[in-house]
Amino acid sequence: EVQLVESGGGLVQPGGSLRLSCAASGFTFSSYWMHWVRQAPGKGLVWVSRINSDGSSTSYADSVKGRFTISRDNAKNTLYLQMNSLRAEDTAVYYCARDRRNYYGSGSYYINWFDPWGQGTLVTVSS
Amino acid sequence: QSALTQPASVSGSPGQSITISCTGTSSDVGSYNLVSWYQQHPGKAPKLMIYEGSKRPSGVSNRFSGSKSGNTASLTISGLQAEDEADYYCCSYAGSHWVFGGGTKLTVL
Repeated sequence: EVQLVESGGGLVQPGGSLRLSCAASGFTFSSYWMHWVRQAPGKGLVWVSRINSDGSSTSYADSVKGRFTISRDNAKNTLYLQMNSLRAEDTAVYYCARDRRNYYGSGSYYINWFDPWGQGTLVTVSS
Repeated sequence: QSALTQPASVSGSPGQSITISCTGTSSDVGSYNLVSWYQQHPGKAPKLMIYEGSKRPSGVSNRFSGSKSGNTASLTISGLQAEDEADYYCCSYAGSHWVFGGGTKLTVL
């Protein structure tokens, strides 16, 4: 069974740091891009970051660029999100999600989706 | 990085059909980027319901269908059931990042 399990959430003061982990099982982790998506309490889903399969390429939402770092350890089948300079507005449930995609146009472009998602881990930034 | 536009809420009676719209721009929904749709029950993780605009993953009921016209994608749920009551989100790639819709709360009356 394909499974993603997040951990590492908790209460942190503004300006503090936290590292989230996402343990993958049931599939060849090193073959897939991965994403982090967050959801503030009572709000909608917001994409945060993505990393390619070997970790050589990353991208971030403008709201976290320069503060968050996504990484992965393919030997440990684990995805990470290092969060620094945390703000109250970073308070959210953080989900990791596997990237699925099909390539078209002789590989010139792709269409992707997120499946599956982990159960999420809550990060609360408050003094 | 603006969110895609979805109605905040829709409702329908059991057995009826409803459609949730997802409006973006020519840079996301209107381009070759076909949207995906996710269902989220309270306190649960999102679940993939539609990918590549109109394809259903294995295990998802054929009561769920997706389509697109111009810059607007749509999710239609036919034969509404009580278990369909949830939040629904669309998502599209937008060139360098991904954008979700604001979410639509479906109430089954």
